Amino acid sequence: GAVVSQHPSWVICKSGTSVKIECRSLDFQATTMFWYRQFPKQSLMLMATSNEGSKATYEQGVEKDKFLINHASLTLSTLTVTSAHPEDSSFYICSARDSTSGGFQETQYFGPGTRLLVL
Amino acid sequence: SQQGEEDPQALSIQEGENATMNCSYKTSINNLQWYRQNSGRGLVHLILIRSNEREKHSGRLRVTLDTSKKSSSLLITASRAADTASYFCATDRSSWGKLQFGAGTQVVVTP
Repeated sequence: GAVVSQHPSWVICKSGTSVKIECRSLDFQATTMFWYRQFPKQSLMLMATSNEGSKATYEQGVEKDKFLINHASLTLSTLTVTSAHPEDSSFYICSARDSTSGGFQETQYFGPGTRLLVL
Repeated sequence: SQQGEEDPQALSIQEGENATMNCSYKTSINNLQWYRQNSGRGLVHLILIRSNEREKHSGRLRVTLDTSKKSSSLLITASRAADTASYFCATDRSSWGKLQFGAGTQVVVTP
């Protein structure tokens, strides 16, 4: 089955530093990936849509300069949390749709998530 | 913002019993999907039901969709301890894949 990986699985950093999270589709191409954030005991909130070869589309209220997204290849999207602060501590999850055959399959495949703790 | 609500927020049942959870949403959709999330882990896709479908089955799972009421239900039959997880519904309004998730139902199945 389709697999999406995320790296790292968890990260602890000091306030003010930047953290990069990778999302990879391992056995399919994904021209579109999505980034979500989940706070403890809450649901997933869509942050942005990552498009291969073009700019990401951010949801209302999400700062694009704070959360930099790069989708440089058909299998890799990265989310960089710049100048991280304690309130950015959260569980970040990516998902991808299989576009290998040219169209989009409806099913999305989610990565295992990255837990970020900013001290 | 979240598309809809799920109820109950939490459900505790014994092995062998059925578990039913409901999802309501606010706007028209292209499809509705159910996911499972074990504590601190990623999401596992369970079932996708399109707006022109009314019911779908997958193993012990049964999903219904009522677009007139803007609601869906997920039934897990003969539950097992391994079914303990949080269950989320997510709506895709545009077919672009932008999902809006419900608040989730936390299910605990005790042996």
